[in-house]
Amino acid sequence: EAGVAQSPRYKIIEKRQSVAFWCNPISGHATLYWYQQILGQGPKLLIQFQNNGVVDDSQLPKDRFSAERLKGVDSTLKIQPAKLEDSAVYLCASSLLSQTQYFGPGTRLLVL
Amino acid sequence: QKEVEQDPGPLSVPEGAIVSLNCTYSNSAFQYFMWYRQYSRKGPELLMYTYSSGNKEDGRFTAQVDKSSKYISLFIRDSQPSDSATYLCAMSFTGGGNKLTFGTGTQLKVEL
Repeated sequence: EAGVAQSPRYKIIEKRQSVAFWCNPISGHATLYWYQQILGQGPKLLIQFQNNGVVDDSQLPKDRFSAERLKGVDSTLKIQPAKLEDSAVYLCASSLLSQTQYFGPGTRLLVL
Repeated sequence: QKEVEQDPGPLSVPEGAIVSLNCTYSNSAFQYFMWYRQYSRKGPELLMYTYSSGNKEDGRFTAQVDKSSKYISLFIRDSQPSDSATYLCAMSFTGGGNKLTFGTGTQLKVEL
């Protein structure tokens, strides 16, 4: 069974630029999550989708971050414009109805 | 006060030692407790999953939950250099939409 796929693996941009990350969850997983992991910290949930609907986006900085999962499968997370403090690893995870979340390898973002 | 507290380490032990990793939490609604292992530049991988209080054993790993003290532990017996990683505790509760709240992670190094 293929795991959660993410791309790109690494991205370097300058502040005020925009960037987008892509995630393809495990086949059949209805729930998809985007987390932000700043160096030395645990992952923080940004947004959770159930199929193509948003379940929780309470910690998503909506003035600059957006996410979509139009067909209920893969998802895109966008940052526009990026700030220095957005430098982090962006993790995507997916799950069935159980509590078990399976994580992808993450995208490491560096904002200069 | 953070909802979940975890000593960041680093913790360095000799090969074969018993390792004890711990988290405390403040939200008594948490019912599901997990331990994830995260290797450098990889996504978190689920190690142990426990519901409510009690012990759970899987090979060299034992997870303990004491809800009365709001304290969870992960024990690793006969530690190996391949156990060197960051260990993250995570928690969730029924009605929380499967949202995980993570600790900051403890960095473990097992030396030959």
